[in-house]
Amino acid sequence: AQKITQTQPGMFVQEKEAVTLDCTYDTSDQSYGLFWYKQPSSGEMIFLIYQGSYDEQNATEGRYSLNFQKARKSANLVISASQLGDSAMYFCAMREGSGGSYIPTFGRGTSLIVHP
Amino acid sequence: ETGVTQSPTHLIKTRGQQVTLRCSSQSGHNTVSWYQQALGQGPQFIFQYYREEENGRGNFPPRFSGLQFPNYSSELNVNALELDDSALYLCASSLAEGTSGKDEQFFGPGTRLTVL
Repeated sequence: AQKITQTQPGMFVQEKEAVTLDCTYDTSDQSYGLFWYKQPSSGEMIFLIYQGSYDEQNATEGRYSLNFQKARKSANLVISASQLGDSAMYFCAMREGSGGSYIPTFGRGTSLIVHP
Repeated sequence: ETGVTQSPTHLIKTRGQQVTLRCSSQSGHNTVSWYQQALGQGPQFIFQYYREEENGRGNFPPRFSGLQFPNYSSELNVNALELDDSALYLCASSLAEGTSGKDEQFFGPGTRLTVL
């Protein structure tokens, strides 16, 4: 079974509108972290937001927020007021465990296109 | 503050050859992770080094090996190259041992490896 599932290969959104990118995860660990990254066409991965499994509040970073539903094992990224520069690939990732080795898992990504 | 740099940017090798990719971590960071990203896929974790020791390894064969130096820069070595090794290789640095917490990773621009 895939540990990180991103079911939307591509999404389109009008500039200034909000968009939600879906991510579900699978783990039996109690302690884990969830991340979202942006990858523009230049290839460099840019960290956007982090949610710890014990965090009670949804994470927010500027225009980015993470809709964390632990029971449903989902960690959707919400981008408010989309900008043309938001056009990129977006990856959801998970790091499991609180000790020992570090092994993060990434999803296959969602391509977001923001049009004027 | 200097960001993560990688060299070379592009590389073409033939099957069976060996390759060394290099990464300079962001100033002050002590942890380096390497990822392989095939076309149209999310990054796959290869391994992580923390203070010159391997701190976690993904599902990659032993012909993928690495080093971290006292200045925290790192090398990824791949022996006996195969056609499927063609990918973007990403290096990321962080200031943590990578086993807990936010562990925000800063990625380099990547090395595009083509194996013919």
